Amino acid sequence: DAKTTQPNSMESNEEEPVHLPCNHSTISGTDYIHWYRQLPSQGPEYVIHGLTSNVNNRMASLAIAEDRKSSTLILHRATLRDAAVYYCILRGAGNTDKLIFGTGTRLQVFP
Amino acid sequence: GAVVSQHPSRVICKSGTSVKIECRSLDFQATTMFWYRQFPKQSLMLMATSNEGSKATYEQGVEKDKFLINHASLTLSTLTVTSAHPEDSSFYICSAGAPWQGRGYTFGSGTRLTVV
Repeated sequence: DAKTTQPNSMESNEEEPVHLPCNHSTISGTDYIHWYRQLPSQGPEYVIHGLTSNVNNRMASLAIAEDRKSSTLILHRATLRDAAVYYCILRGAGNTDKLIFGTGTRLQVFP
Repeated sequence: GAVVSQHPSRVICKSGTSVKIECRSLDFQATTMFWYRQFPKQSLMLMATSNEGSKATYEQGVEKDKFLINHASLTLSTLTVTSAHPEDSSFYICSAGAPWQGRGYTFGSGTRLTVV
């Protein structure tokens, strides 16, 4: 499984944008870039995923580098409820391909 | 849509007993489900892939005789921790999904197992 590298922790103030980076230099051509987040004592929650083009949804935006060796999850206006561990995961194209979690980035949001 | 229900949310059991955890996909059919374990302040570790109608696929180092997985229907997978010991105390999480519908996998809310 291709590996991702994320900073251990990041901080943000409420209502400010947050850019969470992820490096995946060994990504293969068929790997999708997935982002999940996990709030304390809960199961992970799907945030967004993409292949080559930038993606937007109601939760966040995903910016993917042209060479696909890195990506950035963008939270446009952080709220206290966004404080969580964010995981960047590479997943194959198969319908049953598994998710292998790395260490993720712990995001703290201050009021 | 894509709701996964996990039960129980918490369980305390005595050492040597067995505990069953259920994972249900409520509004979709899941031929494949995944079971994870998470220790405090650590990431999720994939234990096994549960396949409907066939044997589960276990990750390296996971004892298949200790962690029994049954996926008898398209909406239910169960994980049974047999002869539980205190070191099995952990947060167990299942997931399923319909990634072909453009969504990621959906996770259950987790089961906190404490073995005393």
